Amino acid sequence: DAGVIQSPRHEVTEMGQEVTLRCKPISGHNSLFWYRQTMMRGLELLIYFNNNVPIDDSGMPEDRFSAKMPNASFSTLKIQPSEPRDSAVYFCASTLGTGSNSPLHFGNGTRLTVT
Amino acid sequence: RKEVEQDPGPFNVPEGATVAFNCTYSNSASQSFFWYRQDCRKEPKLLMSVYSSGNEDGRFTAQLNRASQYISLLIRDSKLSDSATYLCVVITGGSYIPTFGRGTSLIVHP
Repeated sequence: DAGVIQSPRHEVTEMGQEVTLRCKPISGHNSLFWYRQTMMRGLELLIYFNNNVPIDDSGMPEDRFSAKMPNASFSTLKIQPSEPRDSAVYFCASTLGTGSNSPLHFGNGTRLTVT
Repeated sequence: RKEVEQDPGPFNVPEGATVAFNCTYSNSASQSFFWYRQDCRKEPKLLMSVYSSGNEDGRFTAQLNRASQYISLLIRDSKLSDSATYLCVVITGGSYIPTFGRGTSLIVHP
């Protein structure tokens, strides 16, 4: 079975540009998470969807960040405008159900560099 | 106090050694616990769940101490390939939001 698929793997952009990260969760999983990882702060939850509905976006840093999940097989995380401090690895993860015993399955991540 | 805390390490051990990591959590309503492994420049991958009675998977043993609010991971007979960062994950009932620790770095040397 295919795992969580993220694209692009790497993104280098200039400050002020729009960045769109994409994620395809594992088929049948109904919860999707976007995380950001940096050396300084570790893994931080940005937003969590359940059945395509945003449940908790309290981790989204500011209005420059937005996330959508138009259907069960696709989600995007957009940063507009991007800033150098947004440089990080962005992971998407999915899980089956909302039962607390369901582990997360991560995608390979998108390494974002904003110059 | 952070929700989930881990000693960042690094733990530098020789092959064959036994090493243990702890992870403390602050929310007494936490219900589910996992250990993940993350290799350099890779995504975190599930290593094992942590059950209330403790559980073992080969050389790896996970334990939960609810009274003191910590989980542990014991690795016996360390291999070079065990070198990685080990992340603990705590899920609090109701919200189902997995919270990650910062990770503990393990380096196994010949």
